[in-house]
Amino acid sequence: GQNIDQPTEMTATEGAIVQINCTYQTSGFNGLFWYQQHAGEAPTFLSYNVLDGLEEKGRFSSFLSRSKGYSYLLLKELQMKDSASYLCAVEGGTYKYIFGTGTRLKVLA
Amino acid sequence: DADVTQTPRNRITKTGKRIMLECSQTKGHDRMYWYRQDPGLGLRLIYYSFDVKDINKGEISDGYSVSRQAQAKFSLSLESAIPNQTALYFCATSDGDTNQPQHFGDGTRLSIL
Repeated sequence: GQNIDQPTEMTATEGAIVQINCTYQTSGFNGLFWYQQHAGEAPTFLSYNVLDGLEEKGRFSSFLSRSKGYSYLLLKELQMKDSASYLCAVEGGTYKYIFGTGTRLKVLA
Repeated sequence: DADVTQTPRNRITKTGKRIMLECSQTKGHDRMYWYRQDPGLGLRLIYYSFDVKDINKGEISDGYSVSRQAQAKFSLSLESAIPNQTALYFCATSDGDTNQPQHFGDGTRLSIL
């Protein structure tokens, strides 16, 4: 079967660093995406990994290990506006996206 | 203006009614998708279309139908709505190449009484 696992909820302090993990088992793999979704709003694209290693984009970095079926999103210098859900999604072999249930991040002052 | 526009944004209706949710895009993307989002279940794919003549079922297509009227328009219909179809519905688009992110509309909050 196809499955993506993420923690349901995480809490961190403003200015800190947080790592959100994602493990996946899918029948195909064309890449892994991270999206941010504020409550009641549309998901917005954050990052993409298709090769093993770290991709850095400002305060956000994403890591992929294809052999382990594992990714993480790293958020540095947390700000209150980073309070949101973070969705991990895999593009499978048939060009369909499989989404995890999301990790709800609360940033505390 | 938004690149991916969904109408209506909110809808309350009764069991048994036929409902159409519409999606239009100005991004010029070939691929369009309909998802529903439920608390604790994440985004689940209902239907997707890679061009005007291509329609495919997703993981939860029962009770839904779609129409791709043009490259820019993709509508979702609930022929006879039931309460467990109450959810937040998103339309998304992506470029024709693989490994492209999806771009989401603002969603339609649908309540079926």
